[in-house]
Amino acid sequence: EVQLLESGGGMVQPGGSLRLSCAASGFNFNGYAMSWVRQAPGKGLEWVSGISVSGDTTYYADSVKGRFTISRDNSKNTLNLQMNSLRAEDTALYYCAKAVFSTGLFDNWGQGTLVTVSS
Amino acid sequence: DIVMTQSPDSLAVSLGERATINCKSSQSVLYSSNNKNYLAWYQQKPGQPPKLLIYWASTRESGVPDRFSGSGSGTDFTLTVSSLQAEDVAVYYCQQYYTTPYTFGQGTKLEIK
Repeated sequence: EVQLLESGGGMVQPGGSLRLSCAASGFNFNGYAMSWVRQAPGKGLEWVSGISVSGDTTYYADSVKGRFTISRDNSKNTLNLQMNSLRAEDTALYYCAKAVFSTGLFDNWGQGTLVTVSS
Repeated sequence: DIVMTQSPDSLAVSLGERATINCKSSQSVLYSSNNKNYLAWYQQKPGQPPKLLIYWASTRESGVPDRFSGSGSGTDFTLTVSSLQAEDVAVYYCQQYYTTPYTFGQGTKLEIK
């Protein structure tokens, strides 16, 4: 059974940083692209960032480009998201999502970790 | 960026009746080399992550009841629930995975009338 367990969320002041992690199990992690998708309270889904199988190619939404960095450690089955220069509009539940091979189609999602940016 | 627009924003349907949700993309998501539409539908129930229902515009994910069906091509797509059940109350999202940034529709809230 595929399991994705996010961690690292919390409350941070504007301008601060957080590092999210996603521990993956139940599948061959180094065979699939991964992404982060967020959902602001009461709002819809927004794709944030994606990373290729090997980790050598990364993609970002314009809203986070230059502030967020996605990475993966295939030896530890872990996906990460380093978030810097956080803004109030980054407040959201952040989901880790497993892609169908190297596509942007997401067949498994974690339960999410909540990030709150507030002074 | 490809903008995904769903209609309606909310929908109330009687149990056992048909529910139809539309999704329009600002540009075609049909990849000519394989003739596949890079369009998915997700269901999200309160307090839960999204669940993949339909991909390639019309292929049901394993385990999804056959009352859910997807259709359409190019820029216009439809999700149909043929006979609404109580457990289908949720928000439904379409998503294009044709190109980054991957984008979702704003969501359609499906309720029981």
